[in-house]
Amino acid sequence: GAGVSQSPSNKVTEKGKDVELRCDPISGHTALYWYRQRLGQGLEFLIYFQGNSAPDKSGLPSDRFSAERTGESVSTLTIQRTQQEDSAVYLCASSLEGTGNYEQYFGPGTRLTVT
Amino acid sequence: SQQGEEDPQALSIQEGENATMNCSYKTSINNLQWYRQNSGRGLVHLILIRSNEREKHSGRLRVTLDTSKKSSSLLITASRAADTASYFCAEDSWGKLQFGAGTQVVVTP
Repeated sequence: GAGVSQSPSNKVTEKGKDVELRCDPISGHTALYWYRQRLGQGLEFLIYFQGNSAPDKSGLPSDRFSAERTGESVSTLTIQRTQQEDSAVYLCASSLEGTGNYEQYFGPGTRLTVT
Repeated sequence: SQQGEEDPQALSIQEGENATMNCSYKTSINNLQWYRQNSGRGLVHLILIRSNEREKHSGRLRVTLDTSKKSSSLLITASRAADTASYFCAEDSWGKLQFGAGTQVVVTP
């Protein structure tokens, strides 16, 4: 079946512009996660959606970052007034449930470059 | 912030040899997961070990967990060139994964 998809695959933007990244999770997965990965580093947790519960936003680095999810489907991550330090690969993952003990399936990522 | 720490940071071995990498973590966990990342297939889940388990096998992979030492190890036996990748451990605190910085493994033919 279809895996997690993300778009765009690459995004180059000028400093100060807003960007919107999209994630389509695996159908039927109630949990959705966003991570950021800087070059040569591990993944940083950003935000986590589980069903209709309030999202866990504890990993968002600043108020320029926000995310929404429509029901149990598509999610968008928005970065306002982008800065050069926002340059990274943004990865989305989904899992059957978000209560733990379920593996996460990752999308291919969006590589964001802020010039 | 990243929680786990992998050791070593980099590992270079020849095909057929075994590769062992270790992970230390700081919090109480629900489970610990290992992932592999390479340019061809992105980030892929390898194995999940629950906090009440001590060892788990999957094909050529063997994972151990010592909750008293807050550590885990991943062993890849009879390595292949295709095992070249970065390997990450991730602490699962009820769904939210905290990743380490990874171990970069290079397997040469």
